[in-house]
Amino acid sequence: DAKTTQPNSMESNEEEPVHLPCNHSTISGTDYIHWYRQLPSQGPEYVIHGLTSNVNNRMASLAIAEDRKSSTLILHRATLRDAAVYYCIRGYGQNFVFGPGTRLSVLP
Amino acid sequence: GAVVSQHPSRVICKSGTSVKIECRSLDFQATTMFWYRQFPKQSLMLMATSNEGSKATYEQGVEKDKFLINHASLTLSTLTVTSAHPEDSSFYICSARPLVRADTQYFGPGTRLTVL
Repeated sequence: DAKTTQPNSMESNEEEPVHLPCNHSTISGTDYIHWYRQLPSQGPEYVIHGLTSNVNNRMASLAIAEDRKSSTLILHRATLRDAAVYYCIRGYGQNFVFGPGTRLSVLP
Repeated sequence: GAVVSQHPSRVICKSGTSVKIECRSLDFQATTMFWYRQFPKQSLMLMATSNEGSKATYEQGVEKDKFLINHASLTLSTLTVTSAHPEDSSFYICSARPLVRADTQYFGPGTRLTVL
């Protein structure tokens, strides 16, 4: 049970913004929302995580719904290097359960 | 910051031999480290959770006598696959939960194990 729901795949054009949704309707009050991405034969790369407020870093932005039942990872300008499987996970530092994630394709 | 390394990155061994994989947090201390396994075209599956100085906790279906975990310091955990068999061939990934800001995990680059 991945505890989160994501679309299996998404496509984006290069240099356009990408919004990757995640549903976590059973999230508990102490669970953070974490996003990782994984390229073939590599470990998951940390992207961003947050609790309640929207978060920004150099890689992406995380928009968290007010009821915390869903969130959106925003890549402001997709590049070909952003093509990967993106995982949305909820938890507080442990008991991370990986679902199948969203496979993002970026078209040149 | 928050770099986790694994060694080796890939290993090929004969059936029946043992293989040790190291996981190190390079720029932070981690009380808890995790070991995952990923088969081709599948997602990561948690194998075990290890806390520094104590015995690891294994997920259901993971043989503790086959996958030995040692977490002797705040920056190092090792996974030893004993008497490896071809079905143990997989991508093994570790992660570390920081001592400070323990709300997330940082992952290593993974180790590709092939058992002949």
